[in-house]
Amino acid sequence: SQQGEEDPQALSIQEGENATMNCSYKTSINNLQWYRQNSGRGLVHLILIRSNEREKHSGRLRVTLDTSKKSSSLLITASRAADTASYFCATDEIGKLIFGQGTELSVKP
Amino acid sequence: EAQVTQNPRYLITVTGKKLTVTCSQNMNHEYMSWYRQDPGLGLRQIYYSMNVEVTDKGDVPEGYKVSRKEKRNFPLILESPSPNQTSLYFCASTSLEVYNEQFFGPGTRLTVL
Repeated sequence: SQQGEEDPQALSIQEGENATMNCSYKTSINNLQWYRQNSGRGLVHLILIRSNEREKHSGRLRVTLDTSKKSSSLLITASRAADTASYFCATDEIGKLIFGQGTELSVKP
Repeated sequence: EAQVTQNPRYLITVTGKKLTVTCSQNMNHEYMSWYRQDPGLGLRQIYYSMNVEVTDKGDVPEGYKVSRKEKRNFPLILESPSPNQTSLYFCASTSLEVYNEQFFGPGTRLTVL
């Protein structure tokens, strides 16, 4: 079952710009996680935000969570070409992760 | 180095020929899981395991088997592969004590002809 849905599906920006990706989900959650995947490779965990948190920062990443709207956003500030990847949100359901389909981010130098 | 390893990384096989994809983690994690990733469908969970000898179906278990005889290993078995199992497969693990991020293996690209 698909829980998270990312928006947009694809995003192309210039280096130095900010990138915002959104995720919506359907059911109650314990936490929401964001992962990054470089083409064809394994996913790498970026950040986890718990259901009682509203905002979290990690370096150039900022994640917000609005449980009333069942949505989250990932902001990457001052993007770099190396940020080019797919980004997935995942919700936690009794110990298993349910992933959205991802946002493909392309950062042009 | 803490890691999840998968073998093989690439495999081309034919319909009906049994195969096993191995997964091993060195972090003493209780929880392990298999996902498949397909274009337009994202990552979908096949099976997961909360601990040794405890396995459960994910969202797309049909055509797959798993076993968890040891904590570190979680092989994925395709008894009779079919072309619709052509996909990119990922193994992942995490600790249930401090349940947080899942650590993913590098992926196995399987093609079934």
